[in-house]
Amino acid sequence: EAGVAQSPRYKIIEKRQSVAFWCNPISGHATLYWYQQILGQGPKLLIQFQNNGVVDDSQLPKDRFSAERLKGVDSTLKIQPAKLEDSAVYLCASTRGASGGYLAATDTQYFGPGTRLTVL
Amino acid sequence: QKEVEQNSGPLSVPEGAIASLNCTYSDRGSQSFFWYRQYSGKSPELIMSIYSNGDKEDGRFTAQLNKASQYVSLLIRDSQPSDSATYLCAVAFPFNKFYFGSGTKLNVKP
Repeated sequence: EAGVAQSPRYKIIEKRQSVAFWCNPISGHATLYWYQQILGQGPKLLIQFQNNGVVDDSQLPKDRFSAERLKGVDSTLKIQPAKLEDSAVYLCASTRGASGGYLAATDTQYFGPGTRLTVL
Repeated sequence: QKEVEQNSGPLSVPEGAIASLNCTYSDRGSQSFFWYRQYSGKSPELIMSIYSNGDKEDGRFTAQLNKASQYVSLLIRDSQPSDSATYLCAVAFPFNKFYFGSGTKLNVKP
């Protein structure tokens, strides 16, 4: 099966500009995640969708970041306006996802290739 | 606050040796534990998952879980230079939420 797709792979922008990232999860995966990974750190969850509803966006800087998952399939993450500290890799991931509760024993989280954002 | 702690390393081991990577977590509500490998410039890829106390072996990799001590480890036997990467520990909570450690960088010297 095809993996998680993301685009673009790289983006360089000036501070205060806007940028958008796209993600298409593995077919049939109900849960979609956006993570921010700063160099030398682990991925930090920005937002989690279950189908087209938001499960957790507690760490999303809502004054500048927004995300949507129309029709419960692909998703976009937007930053407007960008700051220098937004320079990071933005990872999209998906899981088959239960309607709630813990992962099934064989379920796991699959990551896309990521988008490397540089804000100058 | 759900903390997942890892030693950032780098951990250097000679080729053929056993590499031991450790992870502690703060929340006893966690049930599922994962080890991801991340090569420089690449995204994380799953190498092991473990759900119950004890050991789980998969080829050269062994994951160990001790819920009483809130400790999970990864052993890599017969380490190869191709194992050189950053290893991320992830802990899953209800509603499929994952929390990641900052990763341990492993260097395997030929």
